[in-house]
Amino acid sequence: DAKTTQPTSMDCAEGRAANLPCNHSTISGNEYVYWYRQIHSQGPQYIIHGLKNNETNEMASLIITEDRKSSTLILPHATLRDTAVYYCIVVYSGGSNYKLTFGKGTLLTVNP
Amino acid sequence: NAGVMQNPRHLVRRRGQEARLRCSPMKGHSHVYWYRQLPEEGLKFMVYLQKENIIDESGMPKERFSAEFPKEGPSILRIQQVVRGDSAAYFCASSPKLAASTDTQYFGPGTRLTVL
Repeated sequence: DAKTTQPTSMDCAEGRAANLPCNHSTISGNEYVYWYRQIHSQGPQYIIHGLKNNETNEMASLIITEDRKSSTLILPHATLRDTAVYYCIVVYSGGSNYKLTFGKGTLLTVNP
Repeated sequence: NAGVMQNPRHLVRRRGQEARLRCSPMKGHSHVYWYRQLPEEGLKFMVYLQKENIIDESGMPKERFSAEFPKEGPSILRIQQVVRGDSAAYFCASSPKLAASTDTQYFGPGTRLTVL
């Protein structure tokens, strides 16, 4: 799986959009970009995933650059409960795609 | 639709005892994955199981650790003769199927094992 690079930490004001970047410059054509988050002491929570096109669901939006070398997770209106470690994970869409590799992620702190 | 369930949520064992961690996947999911998270570290894959089959246990320590997913009942991660280094959070995830495209894993709340 392609390696990802994320900033160690970010801050965001409550009510503002949080934009979390992820670099995956070695991603291949059949690898998806997944985002999970882990709120302190809880299990990882699935947020969103995408291949080429931008995606949106009730939690967030995922913007993937045209060359697919980077992506941005957008939380449109961050709340205090969005404070968590966010993980960007590249997953191969083949038979061995089940081993999720969690790096250090980005600690997002939402401030009042 | 209930999510992935794990119990117990907290487990305390003394060195040398056995620990049994249980995981009930989401309804309709037949694939289970176990991950371990040591303090201040990321999650690490341990084992992947389908009903009555171990598909990949490449992340499991060679000794003392075993996993099963019987035809009926939850998946069990068993740690024999626990040592202090086994203290960690153990997370279970489940997914509906493994197909040509990706298969999203949904995680449970975890079991925090403390070995005294």
